[in-house]
Amino acid sequence: DVKVTQSSRYLVKRTGEKVFLECVQDMDHENMFWYRQDPGLGLRLIYFSYDVKMKEKGDIPEGYSVSREKKERFSLILESASTNQTSMYLCASSLPWTGVEQYFGPGTRLTVT
Amino acid sequence: DQQVKQNSPSLSVQEGRISILNCDYTNSMFDYFLWYKKYPAEGPTFLISISSIKDKNEDGRFTVFLNKSAKHLSLHIVPSQPGDSAVYFCAAPPNTGNQFYFGTGTSLTVIP
Repeated sequence: DVKVTQSSRYLVKRTGEKVFLECVQDMDHENMFWYRQDPGLGLRLIYFSYDVKMKEKGDIPEGYSVSREKKERFSLILESASTNQTSMYLCASSLPWTGVEQYFGPGTRLTVT
Repeated sequence: DQQVKQNSPSLSVQEGRISILNCDYTNSMFDYFLWYKKYPAEGPTFLISISSIKDKNEDGRFTVFLNKSAKHLSLHIVPSQPGDSAVYFCAAPPNTGNQFYFGTGTSLTVIP
């Protein structure tokens, strides 16, 4: 059974803080993704990674960075959190082929005050 | 530019009736479509998919129809149950690359 876990379900941070969101998958998947979900905007891709130390920008990478030092772990970093980064953050993983199902974690609800 | 669109943000249906969720896309090169279901405070879970070489795929109460000429797909749930109340996203992968294009979601409420 595929499992994708995220380090926190709920997080409250102050404006300007550095924020780390961690994601771990146990299925040896090559691909990992970070999305944010906002009402009326659906799921928007922030960054994805297709291998250790490899990363690609998604549709909305501004204000974010990522790190993938190990295959099972993909971290999303908010260098200086802002209120417009208040959102639900979802991590996903998949095998490396086009069109295969992505498996999602439970999400982290981040509030920046 | 939204390549996958869900124009109905919400839908309410009586228990036992049919729910029809719609999705439109702009890229005729998409060759695979997926539907995901998302409950509040949980991540999306895969529901059903369809290849562009088919026009219908069925899995229990869930059927997805694809109309390539209209660039339109729909998800039918029959009969609808209160546990089906969730947000439904349609998604399509580009022909190259590993990311998905997701629609904005339709929130389905099934009224007991």
